[in-house]
Amino acid sequence: DQQVKQNSPSLSVQEGRISILNCDYTNSMFDYFLWYKKYPAEGPTFLISISSIKDKNEDGRFTVFLNKSAKHLSLHIVPSQPGDSAVYFCAASVGYNFNKFYFGSGTKLNVKP
Amino acid sequence: DAGVIQSPRHEVTEMGQEVTLRCKPISGHNSLFWYRQTMMRGLELLIYFNNNVPIDDSGMPEDRFSAKMPNASFSTLKIQPSEPRDSAVYFCASSFNGDRTFTGNQPQHFGDGTRLSIL
Repeated sequence: DQQVKQNSPSLSVQEGRISILNCDYTNSMFDYFLWYKKYPAEGPTFLISISSIKDKNEDGRFTVFLNKSAKHLSLHIVPSQPGDSAVYFCAASVGYNFNKFYFGSGTKLNVKP
Repeated sequence: DAGVIQSPRHEVTEMGQEVTLRCKPISGHNSLFWYRQTMMRGLELLIYFNNNVPIDDSGMPEDRFSAKMPNASFSTLKIQPSEPRDSAVYFCASSFNGDRTFTGNQPQHFGDGTRLSIL
């Protein structure tokens, strides 16, 4: 059973507009969340994180929002750029656990020029 | 600084052959993870090690899969015998895992993967 779900396999957005990528989880014990970005033929790279004690974390054009009651997090990219076109994975972990993360299946973002 | 290094980048072999994938983690990292990426299941965690010791191999699909970490700078994932359904991209990732007083988890650093095709 997947504990982290990304229900949208793909998303297409116009350059300059906002991209919103969504992620849902089922385990209420998750307390740390990450987003990774993956280009073709490369490994995923860490993008941004959020702890469960916060509901928002911002880093430049990237903001992650966490809604614990809904068990939902989202990644906002504003403004979107063609170079943001990639697959985005969300991941979650529980407490101290050897850095083990549960990953979603990914959302492919296409930013059109 | 060198990242996680995986070899080979691509492997094409016939069904029934033994396949060995290799990984060199980032120096100083003490947790190592093997993942498999497929269209159907996304990133699946196969096995992970901490301080060279396997912690959880519940993600390993079958006995045909085995993994070792003989030292802190090297790990292998072996499939014997290989089958066409094993075709996927296999990733290795590493991270630093502190002692028990550390209360959070650290992001993993991924290699560029091995694309495995079993004919």
